[in-house]
This record gives sequence, C-alpha cells and structure tokens, in this order.
Amino acid sequence: EAGVTQFPSHSVIEKGQTVTLRCDPISGHDNLYWYRRVMGKEIKFLLHFVKESKQDESGMPNNRFLAERTGGTYSTLKVQPAELEDSGVYFCASSQDPGQEQQYFGPGTRLTVT
Amino acid sequence: QKEVEQNSGPLSVPEGAIASLNCTYSDRVSQSFFWYRQYSGKSPELIMSIYSNGDKEDGRFTAQLNKASQYVSLLIRDSQPSDSATYLCAVKRNSGNTPLVFGKGTRLSVIA
Repeated sequence: EAGVTQFPSHSVIEKGQTVTLRCDPISGHDNLYWYRRVMGKEIKFLLHFVKESKQDESGMPNNRFLAERTGGTYSTLKVQPAELEDSGVYFCASSQDPGQEQQYFGPGTRLTVT
Repeated sequence: QKEVEQNSGPLSVPEGAIASLNCTYSDRVSQSFFWYRQYSGKSPELIMSIYSNGDKEDGRFTAQLNKASQYVSLLIRDSQPSDSATYLCAVKRNSGNTPLVFGKGTRLSVIA
C-alpha cells in the first residue's frame, strides 16, 4: 500500500510569489489533513477535508491560503502571495472513515520564502 | 500556556537503557493520546496510542496516561541507536477524525 505522498519536497520562492503544494493521500482515505511546522514551533493543524468537503478550516492563518480537494482524491494548498512567515514544513495526513484514529503522514514539503 | 508541552531535549541515554519521554496537556477534555516518532526529514510515524488511564505496552514501548494529572509518557526499554529521533506527543479532544494537537517534540539520542 502506497503511503501519503507530497510534492514538491522542497520549494524556494520569493516573497509575493505563488506556490502550490500537492498531497496524495492513501487510496480510499476520505479524511485529509494539512498541518504546518514553522521553525522552532510545534506542528499545527491547518484544515481537514472529508472527501471533497472542508470539515474544519479553523487553523488556516489567513485568506492567502487556499486549499482544494476536487473529486475527493488529491489535495492542493496554494499560498498567494507568499510572505516570509509562511516558511516552514507543510505536512499532509490521511485517515479512513469512520472513526479511525491513526493519521498517516506524508514526508512534508519544506517551503522557504525569501 | 501551550496546549501540549514537552521538554525539547536533547535527551541522551546509553544503549540498553530506558528512555523516558514526558508530555503534559492543558485541555482536560482530551480523549486520545498519541506518540509519533520522526526521523530527520521523514514523516511522523505513529508508534503508540492510549485512551484510558494506566499503562499500555507494545514491544519495547510503554505508554502511560494519567488524566487526573494531565500527563502522558513514553518509556522505551533497551534503547537502541536506531531509536534516536524526535518523539512527538499529540492529543485529540474528541475521538474519531479530528485534528491532532502536537507538542514541539523531544529529541532523543541513544549513544552506542
């Protein structure tokens, strides 16, 4: 069984540019989560999809971040325009439904905004 | 006050010793508790979950939960150099598919 994959593994962009991160969850997993780890801080929740619907987006920092999950398969997280404080590692995780506790994490995308 | 607190370490233990990792949480209604292991540049990997007070053992790992003290710990017996990693404590308010709240992690170094 393939795990959660994320693309790209690294991205370096300039302030003001746009970046799109992609996450492919484990096949059949309806739940998809985005998390972010800023340097020196803990991993923090951004949002949660159930299939194609946003279940909880309370962790999204501001309207420069847009997440989509068309068709309920892969998800994208777009940052537009990027700011310096957006730098960090963005993790995606997925889990089955109903009620599976374990979230399987991808390797993350390291985003550097210069 | 942070929601989930861990000592960042590094915690250094000799090979074969017991490593003890600790975590406290602030939200009394938390229901589910997890320990993830993360090697540098890799995905966090779930190694233990615990939901009720007491101990839960899985191989060399034992998770301990005390809800009254809002404390969860992870013991690693017979520590191996391959156990060297960052250990993340994570908490969920409700059961089921809800977000994890993480601590900053404790870096463990097992010295051969």
